[in-house]
Amino acid sequence: DGGITQSPKYLFRKEGQNVTLSCEQNLNHDAMYWYRQDPGQGLRLIYYSQIVNDFQKGDIAEGYSVSREKKESFPLTVTSAQKNPTAFYLCASSIERLAGGANTGELFFGEGSRLTVL
Amino acid sequence: DAKTTQPTSMDCAEGRAANLPCNHSTISGNEYVYWYRQIHSQGPQYIIHGLKNNETNEMASLIITEDRKSSTLILPHATLRDTAVYYCIVDPGTASKLTFGTGTRLQVTL
Repeated sequence: DGGITQSPKYLFRKEGQNVTLSCEQNLNHDAMYWYRQDPGQGLRLIYYSQIVNDFQKGDIAEGYSVSREKKESFPLTVTSAQKNPTAFYLCASSIERLAGGANTGELFFGEGSRLTVL
Repeated sequence: DAKTTQPTSMDCAEGRAANLPCNHSTISGNEYVYWYRQIHSQGPQYIIHGLKNNETNEMASLIITEDRKSSTLILPHATLRDTAVYYCIVDPGTASKLTFGTGTRLQVTL
């Protein structure tokens, strides 16, 4: 079945270590996104990519990095520069349309990765 | 970009209709209204979307007022599995500008 897969589901790391979260989709979607969610809060956009080999910063990109070498993959690295990395991380994909055009279409989300920094 | 306002929480008895309101008074003429829900510790799930007309699918109905300044998501027969946070979102045409607020926490009870 088509979908979007995140791994690992739970991750514990020591402070100061870099961590990479995996996100893979087989929906043939051009656009992929990373969101962060803190307890009781909405989703905040970290990075997004509208096409392979291109990505843009979202609202809270500091302390994070991404790559988009393949259409189906969009890994997120939480670096030691991220001051408060403990959070729930969500990856999503969509058929992105040009800005100002018709609606974007639905976002398909993964099940999330919960990162705890000790 | 249009913002939305939703009640923080709502309760609904199982088997009853759950009516979740959303205000989006600054919505533009070509912006769609989307609804997602997030069950605890899972990724959000798409429910329904609309522009002007009312919409219905197997999950829910969406009622949009004639002036498009507000909408209501209706779960016709709520079950315990519908307990979740429901997000009302105005789509500005590019997903990178979507804003997920804190949504409405719906608690379905016996």
